[in-house]
Amino acid sequence: NAGVTQTPKFRILKIGQSMTLQCAQDMNHNYMYWYRQDPGMGLKLIYYSVGAGITDKGEVPNGYNVSRSTTEDFPLRLELAAPSQTSVYFCASGYRETQYFGPGTRLLVL
Amino acid sequence: AQKITQTQPGMFVQEKEAVTLDCTYDTSDQSYGLFWYKQPSSGEMIFLIYQGSYDEQNATEGRYSLNFQKARKSANLVISASQLGDSAMYFCAMREGPGIKAAGNKLTFGGGTRVLVKP
Repeated sequence: NAGVTQTPKFRILKIGQSMTLQCAQDMNHNYMYWYRQDPGMGLKLIYYSVGAGITDKGEVPNGYNVSRSTTEDFPLRLELAAPSQTSVYFCASGYRETQYFGPGTRLLVL
Repeated sequence: AQKITQTQPGMFVQEKEAVTLDCTYDTSDQSYGLFWYKQPSSGEMIFLIYQGSYDEQNATEGRYSLNFQKARKSANLVISASQLGDSAMYFCAMREGPGIKAAGNKLTFGGGTRVLVKP
């Protein structure tokens, strides 16, 4: 039981490049979330999903897209990377009141 | 207005002493949930404790307790008998709405408080 896994752990992107941050959970949770954490700040919700095929925007969705084709996977897509997207990205899955977080992906856009 | 406010950016605490981390929140919902997470220097987010707005008793989990004062809209975290491993960032978070199915359990986080435990 690996919990919530995220890949890659660290990535450097050039401005305008695209990439997908991968997130997978093996706990059969319906609820999954993507957050970003800027330096010295709390987490902000980007997108979330309440089940396969259902996604919705969070507080800061601009510049990102998500899909949820299976219960296990919830990838986050950055289409045109900008320096403002330099951050640590956390994926989480939820059961009842508790959210379980992955280890995070550190992204640097130069 | 900030939905979650943590006014203490950082604090020191002596090992074995108790420490209280402040959290105030702003919501017009009658039903909501309050959470505390710990983020060590390694970066992961660790769930500590949860308090529902209709829970009559303060939540406790081992050395962690949540001092819930609904009228004041505060949800302070108390860590008793601090240990060196408690050194970390601590985040207060809130879910607005009547629960998972209605609100998707989306969380809003505060800015965090850094705790450093001194030996």
